[in-house]
Amino acid sequence: SAVISQKPSRDICQRGTSLTIQCQVDSQVTMMFWYRQQPGQSLTLIATANQGSEATYESGFVIDKFPISRPNLTFSTLTVSNMSPEDSSIYLCSVYRGGLFFGSGTQLSVL
Amino acid sequence: QQQVKQSPQSLIVQKGGISIINCAYENTAFDYFPWYQQFPGKGPALLIAIRPDVSEKKEGRFTISFNKSAKQFSLHIMDSQPGDSATYFCAASGNSGGYQKVTFGTGTKLQVIP
Repeated sequence: SAVISQKPSRDICQRGTSLTIQCQVDSQVTMMFWYRQQPGQSLTLIATANQGSEATYESGFVIDKFPISRPNLTFSTLTVSNMSPEDSSIYLCSVYRGGLFFGSGTQLSVL
Repeated sequence: QQQVKQSPQSLIVQKGGISIINCAYENTAFDYFPWYQQFPGKGPALLIAIRPDVSEKKEGRFTISFNKSAKQFSLHIMDSQPGDSATYFCAASGNSGGYQKVTFGTGTKLQVIP
């Protein structure tokens, strides 16, 4: 298992602003994953973050909109840039340790 | 392309009854099939998982049944309790570019009524 701390837990933001979400894991991991869960929907992988290299983005997600940092083996950040109401979702950090484990998520509302 | 199909979308079960959620997959390269439970305001939690070399796995009241030839698997919750009310996601994963890539089903919202 894994203990994953994510913050903020929720935020309400204005259109056009940016929010950075932080994710801290209890021990070192090679890869960290960022997911988006739109209201009432399933989970969609945004990108995979490997320490020391650029994140790998899934189709439909771009670095300019969702820049990711991975400065060490226990920490990552996801920024949601130039937000619009369509970005209102739960953003989840996860790691794979014999199974995929998630943080509690960041509930983002964009007005 | 939706690679993991899940049904039903919602389910209402009486306390003490059996809840059954079904999933089907397409990609035969998948080699790990977990189920996740998600309560409102929380991240999904790994509930139980199975590999395709076994047909059934049981943990407490939760059982996964797996049919490799049909490419289907299901979650059974025996003696369902109101505390089981949550959204359940099936998933399938396989190696992709050196890591396990997980594909999720669309989710089933379970309500267990007293």
